[in-house]
Amino acid sequence: GIQVEQSPPDLILQEGANSTLRCNFSDSVNNLQWFHQNPWGQLINLFYIPSGTKQNGRLSATTVATERYSLLYISSSQTTDSGVYFCAVGLAGTALIFGKGTTLSVSS
Amino acid sequence: DAEITQSPRHKITETGRQVTLACHQTWNHNNMFWYRQDLGHGLRLIHYSYGVQDTNKGEVSDGYSVSRSNTEDLPLTLESAASSQTSVYFCASSVGMNTEAFFGQGTRLTVV
Repeated sequence: GIQVEQSPPDLILQEGANSTLRCNFSDSVNNLQWFHQNPWGQLINLFYIPSGTKQNGRLSATTVATERYSLLYISSSQTTDSGVYFCAVGLAGTALIFGKGTTLSVSS
Repeated sequence: DAEITQSPRHKITETGRQVTLACHQTWNHNNMFWYRQDLGHGLRLIHYSYGVQDTNKGEVSDGYSVSRSNTEDLPLTLESAASSQTSVYFCASSVGMNTEAFFGQGTRLTVV
């Protein structure tokens, strides 16, 4: 089956710093989503981005489908950005397969 | 507002008991999914459905079953709960193939 690898596994930042999270996948995908799991366990949709670039406030994402990777950029990080960031991908007609996540800790 | 809700949010059960976790969505989405989340494994797919009367096995389906009798609900049943099924369970839905999926709040199940 398709492999989804996220890096780095852990990231520690000071408030105000920028970061880039990466998601590599092993096959062509028809669906790619980024999620943030907050400390209360809730999964929050960040981006639906099977290709191209999107921005939402301090967050942006880029997926280069032909090279099988996606990047999530967080600028001017805040303590509320802490949590686990998941990349999930889907092949044509299949359910989402998740990577193991990047755990982000932002300190003030 | 349309939403997806799971119940109960927390449950403790004994080994060998049958347990059913509920998932209800009001978006009229065709697709519904169940995942479990365990430390070190991320989220893994248990079962999914692409419409009424359709069910499919995912990566970790042993010991679980689902049924889809209407569009809104996809209950997950543990036939005989085992300690290895202690986990956090998430339900999700999407309108169609390869469209954006939305997740419920999760159910924390403990099997003792």
